[in-house]
Amino acid sequence: AQSVAQPEDQVNVAEGNPLTVKCTYSVSGNPYLFWYVQYPNRGLQFLLKYITGDNLVKGSYGFEAEFNKSQTSFHLKKPSALVSDSALYFCVPGSTLGRLYFGRGTQLTVWP
Amino acid sequence: GAGVSQSPRYKVAKRGQDVALRCDPISGHVSLFWYQQALGQGPEFLTYFQNEAQLDKSGLPSDRFFAERPEGSVSTLKIQRTQQEDSAVYLCASSLLSTSSTDTQYFGPGTRLTVL
Repeated sequence: AQSVAQPEDQVNVAEGNPLTVKCTYSVSGNPYLFWYVQYPNRGLQFLLKYITGDNLVKGSYGFEAEFNKSQTSFHLKKPSALVSDSALYFCVPGSTLGRLYFGRGTQLTVWP
Repeated sequence: GAGVSQSPRYKVAKRGQDVALRCDPISGHVSLFWYQQALGQGPEFLTYFQNEAQLDKSGLPSDRFFAERPEGSVSTLKIQRTQQEDSAVYLCASSLLSTSSTDTQYFGPGTRLTVL
């Protein structure tokens, strides 16, 4: 079974600064991890996923995530935040059942 | 290419009315999922189809909820005798493969249902 935790309900960052949205995982077996983003009044959009291979995964909109096995983390990062990055971010474990389990996510606010 | 589409985008129903929500998945996608997202919460799983077969409906909250995908493409989620607690955003997602822990689900924009 796989589960994840996003320890921060909210993250605030100034535009132009680097941003990190944290995610830690707990799995039995190989971890499969996804990041999704939900902009206001819009559906969920896939950002990136880790299956195997390179620990640094590059995704959409300039986001990347680093899989760290020793720290059991999969933090989402972006070198320079934009106001338009303000959204709700979900770290989601893959499931052999197909269904995805979402937590409450992390609300990112980028202020000008 | 076209993504997942849902209609209507917004639906207002009086308590007790029946509603039908439509999902058009990405062409060729085998798997289709429905999720319910209440205000301030993450999406919660409702049901799953592999082609036309409904393989998992364990997340449907009551027997008032019914979903179908008769030809293995378009799906409809029907809610009978709507209640105020049914107010939520209903999200549809599709993925290329059958159940897989590595396959990406692509989501539609959702239908926001408000029950008065």
